[in-house]
Amino acid sequence: DAGVIQSPRHEVTEMGQEVTLRCKPISGHDYLFWYRQTMMRGLELLIYFNNNVPIDDSGMPEDRFSAKMPNASFSTLKIQPSEPRDSAVYFCASSLEGTGPYFGPGTRLTVT
Amino acid sequence: GNSVTQMEGPVTLSEEAFLTINCTYTATGYPSLFWYVQYPGEGLQLLLKATKADDKGSNKGFEATYRKETTSFHLEKGSVQVSDSAVYFCALRVFFYFGTGTSLTVIP
Repeated sequence: DAGVIQSPRHEVTEMGQEVTLRCKPISGHDYLFWYRQTMMRGLELLIYFNNNVPIDDSGMPEDRFSAKMPNASFSTLKIQPSEPRDSAVYFCASSLEGTGPYFGPGTRLTVT
Repeated sequence: GNSVTQMEGPVTLSEEAFLTINCTYTATGYPSLFWYVQYPGEGLQLLLKATKADDKGSNKGFEATYRKETTSFHLEKGSVQVSDSAVYFCALRVFFYFGTGTSLTVIP
């Protein structure tokens, strides 16, 4: 399997623009997680899905952030409008029940 | 393992009646607890949550208190309305907490 696939790998955008991050989980995994990592705050869980249903989005920092999982093989994390403090590495991960999450390579987002 | 047990339905109440839907859980660690609601023809929506013992989640007149001593998270509403007709799901989450990381450098 190719592992968790994320795109783009790098994104540079201007404040106020909409940003969409994409993730393809490992086939057969029924959990999908979105994490954000910064030097200041470490690794934060933003939201996770089980069988395409959002289970907990309490980690989503603000209403500017939204995530969807329209099917078992695709998820998006959208930031609208983006702000400089959103600059971070965003990881998507997937897992089976009872297993640890497998992480994608991450998307490095820079908002200027 | 981790699991939740909800009272079996269906539940039928008159308008303005008091509602209680029981939920008990089994978990290792310190789970967060949730109630979700699914209206006819729609997907599940988060109704309320509590992240630690004695926390009370509340929304739209619904309340639930995280009771660690009884491992319960019962959903209550003082006066139900016709618009509350839906399917209610109790859920728990024990997810992956990460530390801040430790950088290791090995020198020859």
